[in-house]
Amino acid sequence: DTGVSQDPRHKITKRGQNVTFRCDPISEHNRLYWYRQTLGQGPEFLTYFQNEAQLEKSRLLSDRFSAERPKGSFSTLEIQRTEQGDSAMYLCASSLVQGIVNTEAFFGQGTRLTVV
Amino acid sequence: AQKVTQAQTEISVVEKEDVTLDCVYETRDTTYYLFWYKQPPSGELVFLIRRNSFDEQNEISGRYSWNFQKSTSSFNFTITASQVVDSAVYFCALYPDNFNKFYFGSGTKLNVKP
Repeated sequence: DTGVSQDPRHKITKRGQNVTFRCDPISEHNRLYWYRQTLGQGPEFLTYFQNEAQLEKSRLLSDRFSAERPKGSFSTLEIQRTEQGDSAMYLCASSLVQGIVNTEAFFGQGTRLTVV
Repeated sequence: AQKVTQAQTEISVVEKEDVTLDCVYETRDTTYYLFWYKQPPSGELVFLIRRNSFDEQNEISGRYSWNFQKSTSSFNFTITASQVVDSAVYFCALYPDNFNKFYFGSGTKLNVKP
């Protein structure tokens, strides 16, 4: 396993279009996070999954955003009716949670979205 | 509130100088983890170190060392004999056990000049 993979690496879309990103976590990891990072800022939490269950969503995740993790493996993040303010790097991370212990999170290389 | 502050926005040093990156955190959780990640221009966040709130033992790993002090809520990171390849943005992150997510600082951009 080579780590967390994200696809695509770059996406340019016109305002109003829908986009979908994919994240493949490290295979044995049961927790998956989505973060968003804008230029010059640290990553901001969007949502996370424990196996296939989406356990928390940030207020940053408006109704236009939806995330899924079917079967607790890969995850998708969809943005509908994109706006210029959605332009950012979308980062996915995974970790292994066993009981109360959470290992470090490993991040993918991110998907850079540009809305024109 | 959960918060991470990295007051240094950008630091420039000349190769072989030592450099310390500061991190101050806020949390009321008694159990939490602290992390440092490196983000090179390629964009990927690279894990460097993880410390839990019960382990204040400082660590040295090669040219990297970390100083965790609960009394001042600080988790500073030092690179000894910096190299050009160390140039990147470094993020400090807090993971409070009751919140199940990472809180990142705004990052410190390190420029190491030859």
